[in-house]
Amino acid sequence: DAGITQSPRHKVTETGTPVTLRCHQTENHRYMYWYRQDPGHGLRLIHYSYGVKDTDKGEVSDGYSVSRSKTEDFLLTLESATSSQTSVYFCAIRGGEGLPGFFGPGTRLTVL
Amino acid sequence: SQQGEEDPQALSIQEGENATMNCSYKTSINNLQWYRQNSGRGLVHLILIRSNEREKHSGRLRVTLDTSKKSSSLLITASRAADTASYFCATDATGTYKYIFGTGTRLKVLA
Repeated sequence: DAGITQSPRHKVTETGTPVTLRCHQTENHRYMYWYRQDPGHGLRLIHYSYGVKDTDKGEVSDGYSVSRSKTEDFLLTLESATSSQTSVYFCAIRGGEGLPGFFGPGTRLTVL
Repeated sequence: SQQGEEDPQALSIQEGENATMNCSYKTSINNLQWYRQNSGRGLVHLILIRSNEREKHSGRLRVTLDTSKKSSSLLITASRAADTASYFCATDATGTYKYIFGTGTRLKVLA
């Protein structure tokens, strides 16, 4: 595996509570991504980062925020979780454009 | 949405047959990559094709790219039961750092 971990791996929370997911890499890769995966939708890009403190929105960013204060960590925060955010969340890292992406094992989030 | 689409959504074939899946995307790209995802796992990179390439091979995999039609295809020859998985295409859109995936094709290879 490419030295990428996600925590927690599973989480159950209640509507309205804040949730933070962590992606940690040991590869010193520049690019980091957060996706959600839902049946029928494949992987949808939530936010991405192209450097420390450099982040941008993806296709489904509403209700999510991110932070990257150091190269190795990319945090995804759900400010006030809703049931529609129940999903499997994947983090990915890349060394650069045109290079393969490496995926974390995923976090299964259930919002009740 | 910039998300690409793949077809078919699901494909079921017999072991030894070839499997072909297609990916269409919406924007100008620098390259396109294919990934495999086994059930409940993260994605694994298979092959990359650059925008100035038309065909690429890797073992039993053959990828084609038609930038004029904004489409790509992945051919798996002599399929095996172990090829059962979901397959996704991903694109680097020109001028952005976004990395966009398609909706995926679920392949089932029957022994």
